[in-house]
Amino acid sequence: QLQLQESGPGLVKPSETLSLTCTVSGGSFSSSNYYWGWIRQPPGKGPEWIGSIYYSGNTYYNPSLKSRVTISVDTSKNQFSLKVRSLTAADTAVYYCACIVGGTRFDYWGQGTLVIASS
Amino acid sequence: QSALTQPASVSGSPGQSITISCTGTSSDVGGYNYVSWYQQHPGKAPKLMIYDVSDRPSGVSNRFSGSKSGNTAFLTISGLQAEDEADYYCSSYTSSSWVFGGGTKLTVL
Repeated sequence: QLQLQESGPGLVKPSETLSLTCTVSGGSFSSSNYYWGWIRQPPGKGPEWIGSIYYSGNTYYNPSLKSRVTISVDTSKNQFSLKVRSLTAADTAVYYCACIVGGTRFDYWGQGTLVIASS
Repeated sequence: QSALTQPASVSGSPGQSITISCTGTSSDVGGYNYVSWYQQHPGKAPKLMIYDVSDRPSGVSNRFSGSKSGNTAFLTISGLQAEDEADYYCSSYTSSSWVFGGGTKLTVL
């Protein structure tokens, strides 16, 4: 059973860069059947897909966030990471990492981490 | 890439059935059989309930079922139970991207 765990700061100043890491355990990180993704959910709203990465390094981004987001992978550590630049209050949300099985469904989720963009 | 459209709320009594709709476009819901549904209780991560329109992951009750017609997908919950009260979100794959719905709050009366 795959397990995912997000880590990173819970408070980031506006205009700065948010950096989060997701550590994966309990399964094959480099499986050809898995994509790895980041999703965020502002308070009281629905989830928003941020972007995804394949173990080979191929990335896919939400067009509305693409200019500010970078996702990378470190297969040696079974980790993938998210950077969001030029943060504003609108980026305040619970950030989840997830495993996208078969490239179509978010099958395994981390517990989520609340990130607040505030000075 | 616009969010999929769901009703804000639905309600039903224990034992009844309810259906939640999820409307997209021919570029997402209507174009792929990759619609999934998630249940989210307060303070928890979403949980996959239905994938590929109508398949259920192991361990999910057969009271949950999914279907699709054109650009609209449906989640049906039969035999409503108190623990079904939660927020429900649909999602669809669309050309190397994924889009979610705005969510539906299910109240069990």
